[in-house]
Amino acid sequence: EVQLVESGGGLIQSGGSLRLSCSASGFSVSSNYMSWVRQAPGKGLEWVSVIFSGGGTYYADSVKGRFTISRDSSKNILYLQMNSLRAEDTAVYHCARGGLTGSRAHYYFDYWGRGTLVTVSS
Amino acid sequence: QTVVTQEPSFSVSPGGTVTLTCGFRSGSVSTSYYPSWYQQTPGQAPRTLIYSTNTRSSGVPDRFSGSILGNKAALTITGAQADDESDYYCVLYMGSGIWVFGGGTKLTVL
Repeated sequence: EVQLVESGGGLIQSGGSLRLSCSASGFSVSSNYMSWVRQAPGKGLEWVSVIFSGGGTYYADSVKGRFTISRDSSKNILYLQMNSLRAEDTAVYHCARGGLTGSRAHYYFDYWGRGTLVTVSS
Repeated sequence: QTVVTQEPSFSVSPGGTVTLTCGFRSGSVSTSYYPSWYQQTPGQAPRTLIYSTNTRSSGVPDRFSGSILGNKAALTITGAQADDESDYYCVLYMGSGIWVFGGGTKLTVL
């Protein structure tokens, strides 16, 4: 059974750093593309970042240069290193698995974690 | 900055049919953007409904369907039920490793 469990959220001051983890089971994080998606309180979903199976990484403009996505294949964990945090980064951060059929990407998210809350105080 | 538009809110009667849309402020949505749709209730993780425009995710009832209508992606719910009352989000793949979510539609069933 595929499961994604996020951790690492908390209260942090503006300008600080935090690393989120997403522990995966039932599949390998290195064989799928994996994303982080966030949701500010009372707001909609916002795509943050992706890491493809080949290692390529991409970011939303709102976090580019401040956030870094990575994975540890041996531990089967996805990470999001967040630096220079701002009040507007306050959100629940979900990790999501990219949907594939065989090896063909369909560019959507088929499994989601429940998320971890990051609160940035100014 | 690409903006993906959705109706902020919609209302449907129980048993009725509703079509939610997902578009660009300027330009057309096509299958090349791999539109997908998600349902979310407060405090819960999103649930995947539709991907690649019109493919239902595993376990999703066939009263949920996806399509391209005119220049937008569309999610149609046929025979709406009370527990369909949720927020619905579309997301479009822009290419080059970038996705953009719509602002979401709050669906009320009454």
